[in-house]
Amino acid sequence: EVQLVQSGAEVKKPGESLKISCKASGYTFTLFWIGWVRQMPGKGLEWLGNIYPGDSDTRYSPSFQGQVTISADKSMNTAYLQWTSLKASDTAMYYCARPDSSGWTPYWGQGTLVTVSS
Amino acid sequence: EIVMTQSPATLSVSPGERATLSCRASQSVNSNLAWYQQKPGQAPRLLFFGASTRATGIPARFSGSGSGTEFTLTISSLQSEDFAVYYCQQYNNWPSWTFGQGTKVEIK
Repeated sequence: EVQLVQSGAEVKKPGESLKISCKASGYTFTLFWIGWVRQMPGKGLEWLGNIYPGDSDTRYSPSFQGQVTISADKSMNTAYLQWTSLKASDTAMYYCARPDSSGWTPYWGQGTLVTVSS
Repeated sequence: EIVMTQSPATLSVSPGERATLSCRASQSVNSNLAWYQQKPGQAPRLLFFGASTRATGIPARFSGSGSGTEFTLTISSLQSEDFAVYYCQQYNNWPSWTFGQGTKVEIK
């Protein structure tokens, strides 16, 4: 059974750094892309980027290029999303998702709530 | 970048009635279109891929259609558990995605 388990909720101050995680199990981690999706409070789904853990090929949404960094650790079967300097506008729920090889996405993590407030 | 536009933003429907949701792409995405349902406090749930292929466990009252730039999600007879927000997603230029802004189906 495919499972994506995300790290717990975070409360940070503006300017702080953060790295959240998504641990995958139930399939061969290096053979499928993993994506990250943002959902701001009361808003819709926004794609941040995807990573292929097999070779670390990473694609970013133009809207988020340079704003976040996506990485993966093959030895830990874990994908990461990180910020170097958080802003209040980064407050959101962040989901990881594992698509099928074609791109549609049956598997989602439970979400990580990130709150950035002074 | 492909832009996905959903309409209406909110759809008020009585239980047992039919609901029709639309999704339009700014350029052809062929049939590389998925639909998701999201309820409050939950992650999105895949309903359809390939525009019209039902995902595992999705009831037959849900149907998806369309290709190219125009897509439709239909719920033939709304049940209480169907009141939620629905998103379309294109994956034609995979490994990139774009989501629509969502349609909220609420109780009339």
